[in-house]
Amino acid sequence: GENVEQHPSTLSVQEGDSAVIKCTYSDSASNYFPWYKQELGKRPQLIIDIRSNVGEKKDQRIAVTLNKTAKHFSLHITETQPEDSAVYFCAASLRDMRFGAGTRLTVKP
Amino acid sequence: EAGVAQSPRYKIIEKRQSVAFWCNPISGHATLYWYQQILGQGPKLLIQFQNNGVVDDSQLPKDRFSAERLKGVDSTLKIQPAKLEDSAVYLCASSLARDSLWVGELFFGEGSRLTVL
Repeated sequence: GENVEQHPSTLSVQEGDSAVIKCTYSDSASNYFPWYKQELGKRPQLIIDIRSNVGEKKDQRIAVTLNKTAKHFSLHITETQPEDSAVYFCAASLRDMRFGAGTRLTVKP
Repeated sequence: EAGVAQSPRYKIIEKRQSVAFWCNPISGHATLYWYQQILGQGPKLLIQFQNNGVVDDSQLPKDRFSAERLKGVDSTLKIQPAKLEDSAVYLCASSLARDSLWVGELFFGEGSRLTVL
């Protein structure tokens, strides 16, 4: 099955700085790459996703890039705010959905 | 629109006891997932159903875990007998995907937190 690796496991930034989280996947046939945000004690919620026929997608301060050749994709958050502090999970999917181990992002005011 | 419903929210049992979790997906969602999330880790897929058929159960410890989705709607995940390492949050999720080759957004329930003593 698909194997997803995510780095870094923890990330601390100053408010207003950018944050980048990177993931690699093993199955070149995977075609859907979502990112989920999970606040403490809450359920994961989708923040952005990208399909394999697109190289980049942006939604306000959040963007995702996909490099199919290298089998990696990244989440970019610009102008970070304290409310961005959470655990972020990447995932890769063909028929099922496999998640990375997560990145705990802390935005310091 | 009602979200994914799960129960119970919390359960504490002794090792070797059994436990069952229930999930009711969003109405009309064909695909249902059970994930195990151990504290500090990412969700691990246990089993995926499309309607009432199993798409993937390769990571389900079948000697102690079982799951079913009767009539393609509600689902039950059972653990018998439980081990200490089964302590985790069990997340149920559903998606609209009706084709096993197309996966869309997963909507998660609140989760069922299991503590095995």
